[in-house]
Amino acid sequence: QVQLQESGPGLVKPSETLSLTCTVSGDSISNYYWSWIRQPPGKGLEWIGHIYYSGSTNYNPSFKSRVTISVDTSKHEFSLKLSSVTAADTAVYYCARGGLTPFLSPRFDYWGQGTLVTVSS
Amino acid sequence: QSVLTQPPSASGTPGQRVTISCSGSSSNIGSNLIYWYQQLPGTAPKLLIYTNNQRPSGVPDRFSGSKSGTSASLAISGLRSEDEAEYYCAVWDGSLSGVVFGGGTKLTVL
Repeated sequence: QVQLQESGPGLVKPSETLSLTCTVSGDSISNYYWSWIRQPPGKGLEWIGHIYYSGSTNYNPSFKSRVTISVDTSKHEFSLKLSSVTAADTAVYYCARGGLTPFLSPRFDYWGQGTLVTVSS
Repeated sequence: QSVLTQPPSASGTPGQRVTISCSGSSSNIGSNLIYWYQQLPGTAPKLLIYTNNQRPSGVPDRFSGSKSGTSASLAISGLRSEDEAEYYCAVWDGSLSGVVFGGGTKLTVL
């Protein structure tokens, strides 16, 4: 059974960089697209971006200048960095396994439990 | 403002059939496969429908998906109280080179 677990600080100061890691267990990190998705309190889902195990990435244009997603296949993990955060970045952040190609990448069949990140001084 | 448009709410009584729509454009729904997710309060979303109309194992056949042109629909028949949740559509958008979600539809079972 594939399991994903997000980890990282639950509180980040404005203008700083939000950093989260998703650890994958139960299957290889290879051959899939791995996404970060967030959900502000009381709002809908927002795709941040994804990475292929080879390192190829696509990002939501809304975040493109602030976001970096990386992968470490040896550690079975992928990471999110979001810079210059503001209160609007307060959200539950999920990692999820997508499909085998970009066109199939919206197939999120495994999700982490989500981690609440609050941006506040 | 979401790229995909869903009604903010839907409702039905137990046993009824309800449908939730998801409207997009030629760059997303019109040319790619649609996915549906169910999110119960306080939990991560769960894949409900993939590649337009396929159900993962364990998803009851009361849930069905369809697509026509630049719109898609999720139908739930034999509505049950446990179906009360938020539902989201998602698709790859070729113009944005990214995944887009609908704004979500809150389903209430009366």
